[in-house]
Amino acid sequence: AQSVTQLGSHVSVSEGALVLLRCNYSSSVPPYLFWYVQYPNQGLQLLLKYTSAATLVKGINGFEAEFKKSETSFHLTKPSAHMSDAAEYFCAVSDRGTDKLIFGTGTRLQVFP
Amino acid sequence: DAGITQSPRYKITETGRQVTLMCHQTWSHSYMFWYRQDLGHGLRLIYYSAAADITDKGEVPDGYVVSRSKTENFPLTLESATRSQTSVYFCASSSDTYEQYFGPGTRLTVT
Repeated sequence: AQSVTQLGSHVSVSEGALVLLRCNYSSSVPPYLFWYVQYPNQGLQLLLKYTSAATLVKGINGFEAEFKKSETSFHLTKPSAHMSDAAEYFCAVSDRGTDKLIFGTGTRLQVFP
Repeated sequence: DAGITQSPRYKITETGRQVTLMCHQTWSHSYMFWYRQDLGHGLRLIYYSAAADITDKGEVPDGYVVSRSKTENFPLTLESATRSQTSVYFCASSSDTYEQYFGPGTRLTVT
């Protein structure tokens, strides 16, 4: 069965520092991949998605992610963290031809001034 | 307003009571989903629906019932609530299966 692993349940960075949130998936066939963000007391919002076009995907709020088939990874990055980036981030994978998304357990990002 | 709404936003109920959580979307999306969010588990799919009158089980369906008589509504019923069902419940909809739009969530506490 398809699965996704997010390394690190908590990540802390200083404002202005690089943000790197890790996501690895398990699939013999490249799936569709997503990053969602959840701000406190809100639902999830799509940050970006990979659906077999360019391997470097740009999303909202300056985030981007690179699909690396050889590493089965889809890590999320942002060059310079902002206080407003503090939130929980979820990586998700969808098998092509199925109806469902499988979510990782999430990474809580803290940004310190 | 257009979008996806959930009601109630907060609910406290007692063990053994029946509870229904409502989900309504105005986009006419074919797909709708119910998830629960618990610390350490991320989001887990309870049930989903590909169209009106078509529903299927997700990862954790036990103790829950869904129906979808209209495209825009997808209620989730806990037939006899248990403490283990204390959670935050999210509804989502999608025009395909690859980009889901989430509601604001319902925080349910079972005492």
